[in-house]
Amino acid sequence: NAGVTQTPKFQVLKTGQSMTLQCAQDMNHNSMYWYRQDPGMGLRLIYYSASEGTTDKGEVPNGYNVSRLNKREFSLRLESAAPSQTSVYFCASSVWGGASTDTQYFGPGTRLTVL
Amino acid sequence: DQQVKQNSPSLSVQEGRISILNCDYTNSMFDYFLWYKKYPAEGPTFLISISSIKDKNEDGRFTVFLNKSAKHLSLHIVPSQPGDSAVYFCAARGILTGGGNKLTFGTGTQLKVEL
Repeated sequence: NAGVTQTPKFQVLKTGQSMTLQCAQDMNHNSMYWYRQDPGMGLRLIYYSASEGTTDKGEVPNGYNVSRLNKREFSLRLESAAPSQTSVYFCASSVWGGASTDTQYFGPGTRLTVL
Repeated sequence: DQQVKQNSPSLSVQEGRISILNCDYTNSMFDYFLWYKKYPAEGPTFLISISSIKDKNEDGRFTVFLNKSAKHLSLHIVPSQPGDSAVYFCAARGILTGGGNKLTFGTGTQLKVEL
């Protein structure tokens, strides 16, 4: 039981390049989330998927797209990377289903640098 | 507009003593509050939570107190151990309109437990 896994762990891009961050969970969770963490700031929600087949914007979605490939996998795509997207990206998942004690579990993160 | 604030970026405590980490929030609609612990190069790990209808929740060495009238919560760690040295994030939960739950994070407090 690996929990939430993310690939790659590190990536360096040049401005304008594109890439996809991968996330998978093996906990049979319904909901998945993408966050970014910047120095001096808390984690901020980029996009989320409440259940398979649905995706919605979070608080900082500009410059990103997502795909909920199946129940296990949720990818984040940067179409044209910008230096402002240099950050650490975390994927998370939760059971949801309306449970009052729903808790999010996080992956180890992807450290992205855009030059 | 920061809805969840952790005003102390760092805290240093001696081993065996109590660590108290504080968090303030502004939005009365949050229904759950959570604490996450984060080690370097790892994702946040869920530690403890409290419902907005409770004022205390205890789990081993960790206790969270909620003061709704003051919109303030705190995490107490007793006794503190060197392995507790990490960044602690306070998070407040709101329900997303599309389903799933949204966590709003504070900026974190770096706890250092010294021998």
